[in-house]
Amino acid sequence: EAGVVQSPRYKIIEKKQPVAFWCNPISGHNTLYWYRQNLGQGPELLIRYENEEAVDDSQLPKDRFSAERLKGVDSTLKIQPAELGDSAVYLCASSLDFGQPRGHNEQFFGPGTRLTVL
Amino acid sequence: AQSVAQPEDQVNVAEGNPLTVKCTYSVSGNPYLFWYVQYPNRGLQFLLKYITGDNLVKGSYGFEAEFNKSQTSFHLKKPSALVSDSALYFCAVRDIYNAGNNRKLIWGLGTSLAVNP
Repeated sequence: EAGVVQSPRYKIIEKKQPVAFWCNPISGHNTLYWYRQNLGQGPELLIRYENEEAVDDSQLPKDRFSAERLKGVDSTLKIQPAELGDSAVYLCASSLDFGQPRGHNEQFFGPGTRLTVL
Repeated sequence: AQSVAQPEDQVNVAEGNPLTVKCTYSVSGNPYLFWYVQYPNRGLQFLLKYITGDNLVKGSYGFEAEFNKSQTSFHLKKPSALVSDSALYFCAVRDIYNAGNNRKLIWGLGTSLAVNP
């Protein structure tokens, strides 16, 4: 079974440029997460989707970040314009959430995209 | 408010010795607890979880963790450490009865484990 796929693996851009990250979750997983991880720190949730609905985007800086998961499968995270402080690893994860209470299944992570903003 | 603490930034052990990576949590209800591992330049991998039932949970690569409700802890353990266990370990918790945004997974800051040959 293929894992979570992310592209690109690395991206170097100049500040004020746009950048986009793509994620294809594990087949059949209904929940998709985008995280940002700074060096030596834990993941910080940016947005969580259940199918195509963004159910938690409270930590997404909406002035410059946007995300979509149009058909409830793959997803794109965009930053426009990028700032120096956006340099980090952007992780995508997916899980299969069902039943009540929910959230008991583990998340599967992709390899991440390392973004460097110069 | 939900929170999780990993009190040690770094743990050093000799190969072959037992290892413990500590985690304590705070939730208003009952917790789901998880351990993840991150090897250098790789994504996070699930190790084990406590949902309900037996307090001792066994996971991947010979790791286990014990849920202690009275001490609100979920320490990760392994009887005999390997050099290849050197990595960053993250504990995470979710309050199972919170809905909506409060259902997010709360992550610890991570503990760097170094196993010396």
